[in-house]
Amino acid sequence: GENVEQHPSTLSVQEGDSAVIKCTYSDSASNYFPWYKQELGKRPQLIIDIRSNVGEKKDQRIAVTLNKTAKHFSLHITETQPEDSAVYFCAASASGNTPLVFGKGTRLSVIA
Amino acid sequence: GAVVSQHPSWVICKSGTSVKIECRSLDFQATTMFWYRQFPKQSLMLMATSNEGSKATYEQGVEKDKFLINHASLTLSTLTVTSAHPEDSSFYICSARGGTGAGIQYFGAGTRLSVL
Repeated sequence: GENVEQHPSTLSVQEGDSAVIKCTYSDSASNYFPWYKQELGKRPQLIIDIRSNVGEKKDQRIAVTLNKTAKHFSLHITETQPEDSAVYFCAASASGNTPLVFGKGTRLSVIA
Repeated sequence: GAVVSQHPSWVICKSGTSVKIECRSLDFQATTMFWYRQFPKQSLMLMATSNEGSKATYEQGVEKDKFLINHASLTLSTLTVTSAHPEDSSFYICSARGGTGAGIQYFGAGTRLSVL
């Protein structure tokens, strides 16, 4: 089955700097790659996603890149703000009813 | 975006009792719902996939007789933790697939279960 690896597990950046989180996946059939943000005790919130027919997607300060050949995808947050502090999870799934498989998460701390 | 409602948000029970958690898709029909378990500072671990009108598919290591899943309608799935024990204490989150984006899973707010 699918296996998703996520790095780093913790990340601290100064406010205004960029943050990058990287994930790799194992199943070449996976074609959907979302990123979720989870604040303490709350539900994961979808912040951006990408499908295998595109290589990059951007939404304001957040961007995601995908390299299908290498089976890795990354989340980029620019101009970080304290409210960006949370745990971020990457995930992957194939089409149909296959469930998302999550990475272990990255705890991002943005220091003011 | 699509809304998934999960109840209760917090439950405390005595060891040996059963607890039912409900997951509802409020504004879309969810043919597939998923149940995850999350321990503190850990990732979401898939427990089972629930398809409307059929038996749930459990992940390896998840006891189907202990974690009963029912998905009787396109908007409701329930997870019953039977004969709960302290080691079952965890954060349980459901998600539903459907709405406007294929593949997108929308999450409930989660249920924090504490078994005394």
